[in-house]
Amino acid sequence: NAGVTQTPKFQVLKTGQSMTLQCAQDMNHNSMYWYRQDPGMGLRLIYYSASEGTTDKGEVPNGYNVSRLNKREFSLRLESAAPSQTSVYFCASQNPPTAYNEQFFGPGTRLTVL
Amino acid sequence: AQKVTQAQTEISVVEKEDVTLDCVYETRDTTYYLFWYKQPPSGELVFLIRRNSFDEQNEISGRYSWNFQKSTSSFNFTITASQVVDSAVYFCALSEPNYGGSQGNLIFGKGTKLSVKP
Repeated sequence: NAGVTQTPKFQVLKTGQSMTLQCAQDMNHNSMYWYRQDPGMGLRLIYYSASEGTTDKGEVPNGYNVSRLNKREFSLRLESAAPSQTSVYFCASQNPPTAYNEQFFGPGTRLTVL
Repeated sequence: AQKVTQAQTEISVVEKEDVTLDCVYETRDTTYYLFWYKQPPSGELVFLIRRNSFDEQNEISGRYSWNFQKSTSSFNFTITASQVVDSAVYFCALSEPNYGGSQGNLIFGKGTKLSVKP
């Protein structure tokens, strides 16, 4: 039982390049989330998927797209990376998607955009 | 508006000292949940505790204790006899059933970095 896994762990991009961050969970959770963590800013929600087949914007969605490929996988895509997207990205899952339940986090992806 | 404030950006203590991490929240809901997460230097976030708005009992788990006071909208976290392994960033978070997005969405504070020196 691996929990929430993320790939890659580290990535360096040049401005304008695109990439997809992968996230998978093996806990059969319905909800999945993408956050970014910047120094002094805490975690901010980018997108979430309350259930398979649905996605919604969070607090900071600009410059990102997501795909809920199936119940296990939730990917985050940067179409044209910008230096402002340099951050640590965390994926999380939760079941059921209620205010009561804690979220389980992946190990994070550290992304640098030059 | 929903908001979580962790006014202490960084705290440094010497091992065996007690330390309290402050968390103040804002919400218009009467039903809500508060969480604490730990982020050690390795980077992953680890769930520590959840408290619902109807339960104001303090909680103790080993060296950790939490004090929830609705009158001051605070949910403070105390580590007794701190150890070097407690060094981490600690996040307080708020969740509301009637929040505009998913019912499971978390609103995080900016975190408090705790350094425990030997």
